[in-house]
Amino acid sequence: GAVVSQHPSWVICKSGTSVKIECRSLDFQATTMFWYRQFPKQSLMLMATSNEGSKATYEQGVEKDKFLINHASLTLSTLTVTSAHPEDSSFYICSAEPPGSNQPQHFGDGTRLSIL
Amino acid sequence: QKEVEQDPGPLSVPEGAIVSLNCTYSNSAFQYFMWYRQYSRKGPELLMYTYSSGNKEDGRFTAQVDKSSKYISLFIRDSQPSDSATYLCAFSTGNTPLVFGKGTRLSVIA
Repeated sequence: GAVVSQHPSWVICKSGTSVKIECRSLDFQATTMFWYRQFPKQSLMLMATSNEGSKATYEQGVEKDKFLINHASLTLSTLTVTSAHPEDSSFYICSAEPPGSNQPQHFGDGTRLSIL
Repeated sequence: QKEVEQDPGPLSVPEGAIVSLNCTYSNSAFQYFMWYRQYSRKGPELLMYTYSSGNKEDGRFTAQVDKSSKYISLFIRDSQPSDSATYLCAFSTGNTPLVFGKGTRLSVIA
């Protein structure tokens, strides 16, 4: 089946630093990738849609300057949490949509971000 | 009315039981119906994907869609402790991002 790899799986860093999370589609080219945030015992909240070669589309309430998304190739999208603070601590998950009409999204294993 | 409603659980069943998980939806434009399984501290894993009313079977899992009632179900036969996870229903119109249910936490007790 389709595989999406996400790295790192867990990161702890100090408040004020920036953290980059990578999402790779390993066996298909993805023109569209998605970034989600998930709080404990809650469902996934879509943050942004990442489009290869163009700017990401952010959901309402998500700060574009805080969560920088780059989708420079058909197999890689990155999410950078800039100047992270404790309230940014969460579980971040990416997904990728295989080519072809209406293929279901496949998810990475998530990144647990802890800001001290 | 919420766009998607999912039985919250938690649901606890003995090993070998048949499990029924359900979601209702209000958006008649949804055409694609998915079930994802999410283990603790992992990303969701696609279990079933359907786009029409009726049943779809894959091993111990059966997905059922009733578009007229706007209701989908996932049945798990001969449930195993390894099935213990959170199950998320998800919907798509084909042109918009996925809409997820809140998830049902399932525990299968050996």
